[in-house]
Amino acid sequence: QVQLQESGPGLVKPSETLFLTCSVSGGSISTYYWNWIRQPLGKGLEWIGYIHYSGSTNYNPSLKSRVTISVDTSKNQFSLKLTSVTAADTAVYYCAREGAPFDIWGQGTMVTVSS
Amino acid sequence: QSALTQPPSASGSPGQSVTISCTGTSSDVGDYNYVSWYQQHPGKAPKLMIYEVSKRPSGVPDRFSGSKSGNTASLTVSGLQAEDEADYYCSSYAAGSNNYVFGTGTKVTVL
Repeated sequence: QVQLQESGPGLVKPSETLFLTCSVSGGSISTYYWNWIRQPLGKGLEWIGYIHYSGSTNYNPSLKSRVTISVDTSKNQFSLKLTSVTAADTAVYYCAREGAPFDIWGQGTMVTVSS
Repeated sequence: QSALTQPPSASGSPGQSVTISCTGTSSDVGDYNYVSWYQQHPGKAPKLMIYEVSKRPSGVPDRFSGSKSGNTASLTVSGLQAEDEADYYCSSYAAGSNNYVFGTGTKVTVL
């Protein structure tokens, strides 16, 4: 069955850029839409944005100026780039398949923004 | 876009039922039947429990049911079991902006 796995640095300095990758296994990325969702510790979920394998994207308006989601179909991966990070961006970041929607999730990766 | 409103907590004894509300606007919950519900145990990723207001994915017990009236969606857990103790989040698609929005989350406690 389809599985998702996030990877990337667990610590990012303030004002720098956060970069995460989600690897899709057990199925092709060339179907569905693929999402990034985050959750600050002890808080609720926040949708960041999605990408289709064709490259079309849509982002949360509150993050749109700092977010870029890209896809690499040859590697069956999609990625998140978040610029000018602050402590408010500290969270568990999940990738998720938009099946029903969000029917399959990665295990999540904790990213801390700190100097 | 604002988060959908859920009660912070809900509780019930084993075997009882608990209903969680999720209130949005005519631009999200009230617009289309694209409301979904997620169960999250501590330290775990969310799990899809209900989609398109009332549909259950394969493997989700029929104790979980969903409904919607106007701008408010609801999740009912019948026959509460200890393993149902978790955080629950609703989500809605907002077709006008092609965005998704989540609820504030509800902690369900099994007494």
